[in-house]
Amino acid sequence: NAGVTQTPKFRVLKTGQSMTLLCAQDMNHEYMYWYRQDPGMGLRLIHYSVGEGTTAKGEVPDGYNVSRLKKQNFLLGLESAAPSQTSVYFCASKGPPGLNEQFFGPGTRLTVL
Amino acid sequence: EDQVTQSPEALRLQEGESSSLNCSYTVSGLRGLFWYRQDPGKGPEFLFTLYSAGEEKEKERLKATLTKKESFLHITAPKPEDSATYLCAVPMKTSYDKVIFGPGTSLSVIP
Repeated sequence: NAGVTQTPKFRVLKTGQSMTLLCAQDMNHEYMYWYRQDPGMGLRLIHYSVGEGTTAKGEVPDGYNVSRLKKQNFLLGLESAAPSQTSVYFCASKGPPGLNEQFFGPGTRLTVL
Repeated sequence: EDQVTQSPEALRLQEGESSSLNCSYTVSGLRGLFWYRQDPGKGPEFLFTLYSAGEEKEKERLKATLTKKESFLHITAPKPEDSATYLCAVPMKTSYDKVIFGPGTSLSVIP
């Protein structure tokens, strides 16, 4: 099992450009999450999904959109990138509802110039 | 507002020098807590789930404990390979399925 994978691993964008980050999991998990991690601020939840076809806003959703068309994939889109979106992005998945651990991908380092 | 804080921000230990990391939270009605380890350039890796006050969990040189107001991660006789950032997370008041992460403690163990 590959677990949770993310593509790309690194990306540099110019202000105003758009891009999509792809997360895939092979554990048949219902829940999927997108976080951003910035120095000194910990992981902050951007958007999440409780199942195929569903999405919901997290703590810091502005400037991002998501889609979960297939259970195994969760896409994070930046329509018009801004320097404030320079960060490391992590995808995670979780199995059953309730107090269960999340499994994280390796991250995508995004720089917006 | 629900908050999770961790202290110290960074910790340097000599190999074999035991110490503890702290995780404090303001979430009312705590319903469990997670500890994760994060190596540089990688995603967090799950270590423990603590379900209620008084519970303890152990894994190799790590022992996690939980009270009603805080959690400790005790590291006994650490080795250089224990160097990492340790994150704690608590479920949000509104849902077990979303968590709030603390900022982490960066641990360096010097040979």
